[in-house]
Amino acid sequence: NAGVMQNPRHLVRRRGQEARLRCSPMKGHSHVYWYRQLPEEGLKFMVYLQKENIIDESGMPKERFSAEFPKEGPSILRIQQVVRGDSAAYFCASSSGEGKPQHFGDGTRLSIL
Amino acid sequence: QKEVEQNSGPLSVPEGAIASLNCTYSDRGSQSFFWYRQYSGKSPELIMSIYSNGDKEDGRFTAQLNKASQYVSLLIRDSQPSDSATYLCAVNPSNYQLIWGAGTKLIIKP
Repeated sequence: NAGVMQNPRHLVRRRGQEARLRCSPMKGHSHVYWYRQLPEEGLKFMVYLQKENIIDESGMPKERFSAEFPKEGPSILRIQQVVRGDSAAYFCASSSGEGKPQHFGDGTRLSIL
Repeated sequence: QKEVEQNSGPLSVPEGAIASLNCTYSDRGSQSFFWYRQYSGKSPELIMSIYSNGDKEDGRFTAQLNKASQYVSLLIRDSQPSDSATYLCAVNPSNYQLIWGAGTKLIIKP
């Protein structure tokens, strides 16, 4: 499958636990974007990464959230000490360069109990 | 602040008619324009890209770009119930980040 791969598709966590969301970009893509979407709302940009570099994290909360895109392996969005308000769909997209179309994975639906 | 505006709808169109979706943007230097379709509970799917003024056709879809007036539109001919979805407009200004509209919900009535 050459598309953007996200896992897990669904993730349930209790308040205070950690959530780790993974994203493997399309083959040949080195630009990764993370978005959050609440039900019936639009996409909210969180962070833009290239290999080993965070280019723009202006949409990501300063506390509890972090993202990485290591030289080897998938991009990881990490949420520490989750709260109920973190419940949302988290989408990853990748592109072959700046200004190029972004292609989305199926998303991870995060539910906080 | 760079903005992309879309009418949230819902836009209701009879089956077989033409659905017209509009989007305006604030950054005059924008270079790339995209339309995505998102079904409820699914991820956004790219359906059209347009980079220069004029029309671009792909099957039943036509994207129209007018940089002077700063708007981009999407026409869907012979609308089908399966076209019912939220349509997102995304604009790439002079930097790397797409600016997204909030989306227009389209309902095709049989």
